[in-house]
Amino acid sequence: QKEVEQNSGPLSVPEGAIASLNCTYSDRGSQSFFWYRQYSGKSPELIMSIYSNGDKEDGRFTAQLNKASQYVSLLIRDSQPSDSATYLCAVNRNNNDMRFGAGTRLTVKP
Amino acid sequence: KAGVTQTPRYLIKTRGQQVTLSCSPISGHRSVSWYQQTPGQGLQFLFEYFSETQRNKGNFPGRFSGRQFSNSRSEMNVSTLELGDSALYLCASTDRGTDTQYFGPGTRLTVL
Repeated sequence: QKEVEQNSGPLSVPEGAIASLNCTYSDRGSQSFFWYRQYSGKSPELIMSIYSNGDKEDGRFTAQLNKASQYVSLLIRDSQPSDSATYLCAVNRNNNDMRFGAGTRLTVKP
Repeated sequence: KAGVTQTPRYLIKTRGQQVTLSCSPISGHRSVSWYQQTPGQGLQFLFEYFSETQRNKGNFPGRFSGRQFSNSRSEMNVSTLELGDSALYLCASTDRGTDTQYFGPGTRLTVL
């Protein structure tokens, strides 16, 4: 079992729709969870961090965490073509031991 | 604050050579992590340094090494380069208050 698993996609949604990205992790002791966006040829940039169960909203982005199910998700509302990128889920297990998923490639079609 | 900086941005080397990459973290960040990213393998963790000590290490051969200086700047070295070492090498510095890693722009290494 991989430490952090994501659907590789590609995930395609029409402009204005909600994009839903999912991630599961194996280390039950993990405490910090992150979503990064990576455009082709660029480095990952932080979108959201979440530390406790429930939802966390930031603009069009909502992160959801369920530690009992070891599940993290990212919702992107009113998706825009500029949201087309690869989204990386990251889990900080302990003492800055960060593990990344393989990423989900999202395409938003105008 | 200035972001994470990495030099050089691009490198072309031949097999058997060695290479040194440099990373300067965000001011005040004392932890630096290094990753290798390839299309087939995704983001693979190399190692992490904190206060000049290697704290975590990924599953890479001994040809990959690193160090950190007292000003928190870090270098990684790859010796005896192989074709498969061609990748984007990313450095990230950590805000320990939030456990958040911030990435530099990366160094694109091509091994011919």
